[in-house]
Amino acid sequence: DVKVTQSSRYLVKRTGEKVFLECVQDMDHENMFWYRQDPGLGLRLIYFSYDVKMKEKGDIPEGYSVSREKKERFSLILESASTNQTSMYLCASSFGAVGYGYTFGSGTRLTVV
Amino acid sequence: KNQVEQSPQSLIILEGKNCTLQCNYTVSPFSNLRWYKQDTGRGPVSLTIMTFSENTKSNGRYTATLDADTKQSSLHITASQLSDSASYICVVWSGNTPLVFGKGTRLSVIA
Repeated sequence: DVKVTQSSRYLVKRTGEKVFLECVQDMDHENMFWYRQDPGLGLRLIYFSYDVKMKEKGDIPEGYSVSREKKERFSLILESASTNQTSMYLCASSFGAVGYGYTFGSGTRLTVV
Repeated sequence: KNQVEQSPQSLIILEGKNCTLQCNYTVSPFSNLRWYKQDTGRGPVSLTIMTFSENTKSNGRYTATLDADTKQSSLHITASQLSDSASYICVVWSGNTPLVFGKGTRLSVIA
């Protein structure tokens, strides 16, 4: 069964900490995405990547960066965590043109205190 | 602007009853529309995906319809079960940009 795996289900970090959220997919997908999901706002795209070492800003990239050194791994980095980054973070991947085979990970619930 | 609007925002139904969730979109061009089910605290899981030429698609007790002319879709759930309690998200893809997500409908099925 195809999988998108996010390294942590729950994470609690302190304000100002550097936070790494990891996502690994085993489907050889070219495209990977990071979203955050907040009540009443739905899923919002933070960053995405169409290939290794490539990255594109989504709708809300401020305060985040990403890294894609290998095809199967896409990392989201919070350079200096803030309380307004408390959220559910979802990783997804797809193949070919961006909309095909779209699969989500189980999510990471991040709380910044 | 590409948008996906879902209604209602939330819904409570009795176990065993049917319900219908609505999705209207303004995404253009249109490539496909999908419905996802998201259990609390989990990632979304795909229920159906429909292209322009498909009017109806079923997945067990879930039936999705698509009217590409009016840009509307619905998700009908038959004989609801407690395990159907979740958020249902409508997502539209234009074919050349990232997916456009609706904000979801929160369904609660009670005994």
